[in-house]
Amino acid sequence: GNSVTQMEGPVTLSEEAFLTINCTYTATGYPSLFWYVQYPGEGLQLLLKATKADDKGSNKGFEATYRKETTSFHLEKGSVQVSDSAVYFCALSDIGGFKTIFGAGTRLFVKA
Amino acid sequence: DADVTQTPRNRITKTGKRIMLECSQTKGHDRMYWYRQDPGLGLRLIYYSFDVKDINKGEISDGYSVSRQAQAKFSLSLESAIPNQTALYFCATSDTTGNYGYTFGSGTRLTVV
Repeated sequence: GNSVTQMEGPVTLSEEAFLTINCTYTATGYPSLFWYVQYPGEGLQLLLKATKADDKGSNKGFEATYRKETTSFHLEKGSVQVSDSAVYFCALSDIGGFKTIFGAGTRLFVKA
Repeated sequence: DADVTQTPRNRITKTGKRIMLECSQTKGHDRMYWYRQDPGLGLRLIYYSFDVKDINKGEISDGYSVSRQAQAKFSLSLESAIPNQTALYFCATSDTTGNYGYTFGSGTRLTVV
């Protein structure tokens, strides 16, 4: 079956550091891929998405590229801020969106 | 108003009690979902509904039931709560393509004592 694996946290960075959170997946066919962010006390919010191979999703300075050859969708940001401290979830949705699977989440702490 | 509203936000209940968590959405979407979040386990699907007449079990449906009262309303019930159902519960909605992701509510933190 389909699955999503993301790097364990927590990840602790200083402000303005470069961020990478790894996400790999297994799936049949051509799934859509997503990153969600969860701030303390809130629900998950869609951060970015990519629906086909080589697509790059981007939002709020975050980027991720759908790499079919490496089955990966790594999240990156060039310069993190304290306000980026949150839990980040990688997710995969099958064709037609019938099932979405979430990774376990990676907690990010950014220090001033 | 939020696109997806969950009530209550927090609830403490006793073992054996019946409890209902409610969810309503203003996105006009047909698809609605209930997830449970536990530390280190991510989100696990409890039930989902693709329209008012369609209800499906997710990966962890035992001990839970749902009701889709209208396109906009999808409630989750614990018939006889037990302590290992202590968790954060999220309702979500999506369009029929699945390409635009989910819109989540703010969650209900449930504690069973």
